[in-house]
Amino acid sequence: GAVVSQHPSWVICKSGTSVKIECRSLDFQATTMFWYRQFPKQSLMLMATSNEGSKATYEQGVEKDKFLINHASLTLSTLTVTSAHPEDSSFYICSAATHTYEQYFGPGTRLTVT
Amino acid sequence: QKEVEQDPGPLSVPEGAIVSLNCTYSNSAFQYFMWYRQYSRKGPELLMYTYSSGNKEDGRFTAQVDKSSKYISLFIRDSQPSDSATYLCAMNRGQGAQKLVFGQGTRLTINP
Repeated sequence: GAVVSQHPSWVICKSGTSVKIECRSLDFQATTMFWYRQFPKQSLMLMATSNEGSKATYEQGVEKDKFLINHASLTLSTLTVTSAHPEDSSFYICSAATHTYEQYFGPGTRLTVT
Repeated sequence: QKEVEQDPGPLSVPEGAIVSLNCTYSNSAFQYFMWYRQYSRKGPELLMYTYSSGNKEDGRFTAQVDKSSKYISLFIRDSQPSDSATYLCAMNRGQGAQKLVFGQGTRLTINP
């Protein structure tokens, strides 16, 4: 199957700082990428849909000014958590859609805000 | 009512057993159906991807879709301890890369 990477795999930051997470499709071009967060023992919660070259579409209740998404190329999307707070601590996962619309997920990034 | 319902389990079976995992859904517009396996602290791994009704087999895994009943299943034959994970069903309307609607996930344990 297609491979999606995320970097970093885990990060610890101080409250008030910003953190950037990268999502890359390694062996295919992804017009559309998705960003999710997941709390322990819960299913994935979609945050936003990212299309290459255009603004992301955020789900209801997700603060677009707090979670900045950029999809600069067909293989890279980034999520920046701005002015992070402890309640932003979570597992963030991206997925990328192939040309046949199958979605492959990255390994996830564990964010801890102290 | 959630668009996709999935029994969260936990489900525990002995090694070698046939496992049946199921989801029901309410939106008749769903056309594409997926099963993902997620190990703890990892991203979901795509296991099966099916379109519309019918069966699809891949090794020990069989996915079934019954659109008339709005019911999908994943069968695992000759289950192994390495199959222990959370299994998520997901679906969307297709016609482009659309957001997935997930079930809650079923936590499965295969006992040696």
